[in-house]
Amino acid sequence: SAVISQKPSRDICQRGTSLTIQCQVDSQVTMMFWYRQQPGQSLTLIATANQGSEATYESGFVIDKFPISRPNLTFSTLTVSNMSPEDSSIYLCSANGYTFGSGTRLTVV
Amino acid sequence: AQSVTQLDSQVPVFEEAPVELRCNYSSSVSVYLFWYVQYPNQGLQLLLKYLSGSTLVESINGFEAEFNKSQTSFHLRKPSVHISDTAEYFCAVGNSGGGADGLTFGKGTHLIIQP
Repeated sequence: SAVISQKPSRDICQRGTSLTIQCQVDSQVTMMFWYRQQPGQSLTLIATANQGSEATYESGFVIDKFPISRPNLTFSTLTVSNMSPEDSSIYLCSANGYTFGSGTRLTVV
Repeated sequence: AQSVTQLDSQVPVFEEAPVELRCNYSSSVSVYLFWYVQYPNQGLQLLLKYLSGSTLVESINGFEAEFNKSQTSFHLRKPSVHISDTAEYFCAVGNSGGGADGLTFGKGTHLIIQP
């Protein structure tokens, strides 16, 4: 199965700033997914990223807040924009439907 | 739309006792089913998956789960637990029709192993 490298593994950011999370897969994949895990909660799908087209966002998530890039079949980025403390979460990318990266633990202060 | 229900938010069990973590799902299409484990302050690890074939799937560390289509369940079992099994366990469902929809997760079950 695919191996996914995600970075940074953690970060502490000031409110009002933005953070870009990178996800690299060791093989070409059609679909990549971004999830959020709020403290003490389960995972929620943010968006689906298909190479060559705009990402598809789930209800409650918008492109202005979580812009996603998918420049090729092995790489994707998620940006968390204009952050507030409510954005403090673990963000995870996924490929092949069920393989996950190790996650990015984001704390906004 | 799909949904996953993990009936127990916490399950306390004594060490070396058996355990069952329950998972029921709802879907209008054929599904793939997964169990993930998350140890404290760590990422998500795939424990086992059902994609097709045998309805009983096993992991390398003694867990097993059985896909029951008629009861729409995918319960996780282990005959004898260890302290190291203390973790959060998530059941998830995906659409087997192409994998383009991402996974829907249950709320998780915290397995607490008591010595």
